[in-house]
Amino acid sequence: GENVEQHPSTLSVQEGDSAVIKCTYSDSASNYFPWYKQELGKGPQLIIDIRSNVGEKKDQRIAVTLNKTAKHFSLHITETQPEDSAVYFCAGAAGNKLTFGGGTRVLVKP
Amino acid sequence: EPEVTQTPSHQVTQMGQEVILRCVPISNHLYFYWYRQILGQKVEFLVSFYNNEISEKSEIFDDQFSVERPDGSNFTLKIRSTKLEDSAMYFCASSGWSSTDTQYFGPGTRLTVL
Repeated sequence: GENVEQHPSTLSVQEGDSAVIKCTYSDSASNYFPWYKQELGKGPQLIIDIRSNVGEKKDQRIAVTLNKTAKHFSLHITETQPEDSAVYFCAGAAGNKLTFGGGTRVLVKP
Repeated sequence: EPEVTQTPSHQVTQMGQEVILRCVPISNHLYFYWYRQILGQKVEFLVSFYNNEISEKSEIFDDQFSVERPDGSNFTLKIRSTKLEDSAMYFCASSGWSSTDTQYFGPGTRLTVL
């Protein structure tokens, strides 16, 4: 089955700097890659997703890139703000079953 | 904005007892899911449900687990005889018209088995 690995597990950045989180996947059949943000006491909230027919997608300060050949995808957050502090999860899916990465705890220091 | 809701937020039970976790998916969504997250571990897929039947389940989802959509709004996860290792955060999710549509997650139910 699918295996998704996520790095780093923790990331501390200065406010205004960029944050990058990387994920790799194993199943070449996976074609959908969402990113979720989880704040304390809440469920995962979708922040951006990308499908395998696209190499890059951007939404304001958030962008995701996908390299199907290398089977990896990345989340980029620019101009980080304190409210970006949370745990971020990548996931991969072939069909409707999401396989999650281990999560990255992001701390944005003011 | 529509959202997935779950009750209770926290459930404490004795080992061997049955528990039912409840979810109200987003109205008009057709696909429903349960995931769990043991403390410090990955979020894991348990089961997907469509058209009143299970469409896929993981190895975790053994005979102790069952799901049901008892009416037009609720979606439940039952654990028949809880074990200590069932202690986890359980998330319900729903998605719309296609199995590859975005999955929207509820806030979760923290299950503690003593």
